Amino acid sequence: TQLLEQSPQFLSIQEGENLTVYCNSSSVFSSLQWYRQEPGEGPVLLVTVVTGGEVKKLKRLTFQFGDARKDSSLHITAAQPGDTGLYLCAGVRNTGNQFYFGTGTSLTVIP
Amino acid sequence: NAGVTQTPKFRILKIGQSMTLQCTQDMNHNYMYWYRQDPGMGLKLIYYSVGAGITDKGEVPNGYNVSRSTTEDFPLRLELAAPSQTSVYFCASSSSFSGANVLTFGAGSRLTVL
Repeated sequence: TQLLEQSPQFLSIQEGENLTVYCNSSSVFSSLQWYRQEPGEGPVLLVTVVTGGEVKKLKRLTFQFGDARKDSSLHITAAQPGDTGLYLCAGVRNTGNQFYFGTGTSLTVIP
Repeated sequence: NAGVTQTPKFRILKIGQSMTLQCTQDMNHNYMYWYRQDPGMGLKLIYYSVGAGITDKGEVPNGYNVSRSTTEDFPLRLELAAPSQTSVYFCASSSSFSGANVLTFGAGSRLTVL
């Protein structure tokens, strides 16, 4: 069973379009992270959200943590080809440095 | 800074062979992890370690073994390789002392079992 479900699994859009990726769980996490992975490399951290309802912006990327700390979303405005990659959410538990990864969303931005 | 270094990057094994994936980090992180990544499945935790001499099972430990004799090194051993172990393996580390709870990943090791 997967603790964190992401949707959609695949997304192919034109440059300049907006998109939202969702990360959902029935479990509560102390924090939630988003990573981006390019082919042939390991995931790299984009952001950590800690407080329920928190919104963080990273240039054209907006991250939101759900009020109940069970879900999160990533919104990209005016997508660019450089945004292409695999986006992974990861929930962090209070019990320690335990990271639970979502199923991933593969994004392709077509020029 | 090298960060997390994994070797080899690619390997092909025959069914029943054994091998060790090497992982070393130079950030003095106390936590280390091994994940496997299969298409459409995200990352699954195989084993983790909270410090030298301490290891514990993750979600999918069967068919694997680990050891942590030093802070820097966390090798993953595959005994009697099976086609189901064909995957990309990632080693990662983090620190419980920095307060940031951030995973630093290696570049991955692609293993094919034929």
